[in-house]
Amino acid sequence: RKEVEQDPGPFNVPEGATVAFNCTYSNSASQSFFWYRQDCRKEPKLLMSVYSSGNEDGRFTAQLNRASQYISLLIRDSKLSDSATYLCAVNTITSYGKLTFGQGTILTVHP
Amino acid sequence: NAGVTQTPKFQVLKTGQSMTLQCAQDMNHEYMSWYRQDPGMGLRLIHYSVGAGITDQGEVPNGYNVSRSTTEDFPLRLLSAAPSQTSVYFCASKPGSSNQPQHFGDGTRLSIL
Repeated sequence: RKEVEQDPGPFNVPEGATVAFNCTYSNSASQSFFWYRQDCRKEPKLLMSVYSSGNEDGRFTAQLNRASQYISLLIRDSKLSDSATYLCAVNTITSYGKLTFGQGTILTVHP
Repeated sequence: NAGVTQTPKFQVLKTGQSMTLQCAQDMNHEYMSWYRQDPGMGLRLIHYSVGAGITDQGEVPNGYNVSRSTTEDFPLRLLSAAPSQTSVYFCASKPGSSNQPQHFGDGTRLSIL
């Protein structure tokens, strides 16, 4: 089993739709969780950190479920500009900050 | 704001050649790392460093060397390039605290013929 797994998609949704991605992790000692966005042929950019109590940034909501060992990203009112690959990343307190990435979920928002 | 700077952005090599990918950060980050990204494989950690003079192997270290003589610089050396090393290489850095996210350079696209 991979340490961090994502549904690669692709997800094709119309503008205005709500879409959710999940990311599962296998190491119960995982401590920090992040969502990154990667545009085609660009570097990954931090979208948001994921906190234990869940957190929201505008149209984006991140949740952490430690019992089931997954994190989620919810995008409301999708925009064309949200089209990208979304990567989850996880590290453990003992891994010196090494991030393990999921393979990414491709999102395409169409008119 | 320079952040993490990678050079070159593109490179074509012949099999057996060696080269160094440069990475520099101006944020005084203790932690630096190199990833490669291949289609269907996601980002895979090659080497990382938790501070000047300290380096360690990641998931896919074979064929690569690193050194960290200063806080700012973390070069990645390909000793004898192979076609399997054709990839996009990303350097990243972050503060020393483990719960901080990493920030990426804009990548080096490397082709080995």
